[in-house]
Amino acid sequence: GNSVTQMEGPVTLSEEAFLTINCTYTATGYPSLFWYVQYPGEGLQLLLKATKADDKGSNKGFEATYRKETTSFHLEKGSVQVSDSAVYFCALSDRTGGGADGLTFGKGTHLIIQP
Amino acid sequence: KAGVTQTPRYLIKTRGQQVTLSCSPISGHRSVSWYQQTPGQGLQFLFEYFSETQRNKGNFPGRFSGRQFSNSRSEMNVSTLELGDSALYLCASSFQGDTIYFGEGSWLTVV
Repeated sequence: GNSVTQMEGPVTLSEEAFLTINCTYTATGYPSLFWYVQYPGEGLQLLLKATKADDKGSNKGFEATYRKETTSFHLEKGSVQVSDSAVYFCALSDRTGGGADGLTFGKGTHLIIQP
Repeated sequence: KAGVTQTPRYLIKTRGQQVTLSCSPISGHRSVSWYQQTPGQGLQFLFEYFSETQRNKGNFPGRFSGRQFSNSRSEMNVSTLELGDSALYLCASSFQGDTIYFGEGSWLTVV
């Protein structure tokens, strides 16, 4: 079956530090990959996505590249801010062959940015 | 464009009762899916509806059910509530099951 593995944290960084959150996946088909962010007490917000190998998703200074050879989709940001403190979820959607199993999520990475 | 709207946002129920949660998808979206989020199990897929038909179902007992109406609005129902059903229930919509957008969620506490 499909699965997503990501570092759980908490990850604590100082403001303006470089961020990397690792995400690797296992899928039977050719999935689309997503990063979602959840702020305290809120639902999930789509941060970025990539639908095929070598695609780079980007939004709000965050980037992630779909690496099929390493089955990875690591999230990066060059300079984090206190407002980036949240929980980040890596997810995949595998609809190859018309399947509709919903999103498969990682456990989430709690990011804390200190001023 | 309005996002995914879920009601109620917060509710408290007693063990053994049932609960119905409602979701209005983004206008034009025909696919609605539901997820349960708990600290222990994380985010788990419940089911997905497309054009009023359940397209797939996650690994949850039959106490969890849902439906979708002709206007794409969806409801999910949990019968005979258990303490372990306390969770954040998230509804999500998409145009045809591609990029999925989530609502704010309904916080259910079972006492």
